[in-house]
Amino acid sequence: GQQVMQIPQYQHVQEGEDFTTYCNSSTTLSNIQWYKQRPGGHPVFLIQLVKSGEVKKQKRLTFQFGEAKKNSSLHITATQTTDVGTYFCAGYSIGGTSYGKLTFGQGTILTVHP
Amino acid sequence: DGGITQSPKYLFRKEGQNVTLSCEQNLNHDAMYWYRQDPGQGLRLIYYSQIVNDFQKGDIAEGYSVSREKKESFPLTVTSAQKNPTAFYLCASSILRGPDSYGYTFGSGTRLTVV
Repeated sequence: GQQVMQIPQYQHVQEGEDFTTYCNSSTTLSNIQWYKQRPGGHPVFLIQLVKSGEVKKQKRLTFQFGEAKKNSSLHITATQTTDVGTYFCAGYSIGGTSYGKLTFGQGTILTVHP
Repeated sequence: DGGITQSPKYLFRKEGQNVTLSCEQNLNHDAMYWYRQDPGQGLRLIYYSQIVNDFQKGDIAEGYSVSREKKESFPLTVTSAQKNPTAFYLCASSILRGPDSYGYTFGSGTRLTVV
């Protein structure tokens, strides 16, 4: 079945440093979504990418979808303490037994030191 | 405001007991989902439903059961057959199921502990 891997599992940064998390799928994706979960909270939908090579920005967050639609990244510029949490990617496979199923990566836990 | 309500927030279960977790949404979403979250393992799909009176097993359905008698409600029962039920349970909904669903809306979760 489809697997979605995220790296790194943990990332500790000083406030003001940049942060990037990477997401890789074992199969080609129709689209990919990103979620943020604050400590003790629930996942909140951030964005969806659909097109090959697509880049979207939300303030200090930049999301990319790979040309082959098998990988994605989330980059945060100049982290703030409010960025603390777990960032999940989730992708829909375009075919096979996983078609129509949203598969989540394991998440990257971001800690920001003031 | 529209959203998903999960209750209770915390639940303690004795060995051998069945417990039911509530999930109600007023978003008029067709699809609803139950996920289990364990540390370091992301979100794993237990059951999902696309329409009233229909539901499908996810990746880890053993020891769980669901019903979908109303569009707004999708309760999850954790049965005594679930060997390791201690986890954080998340209910979610989306307008549709599949790649056209856009993002999921999650409830605030229920933290279940076996005592």
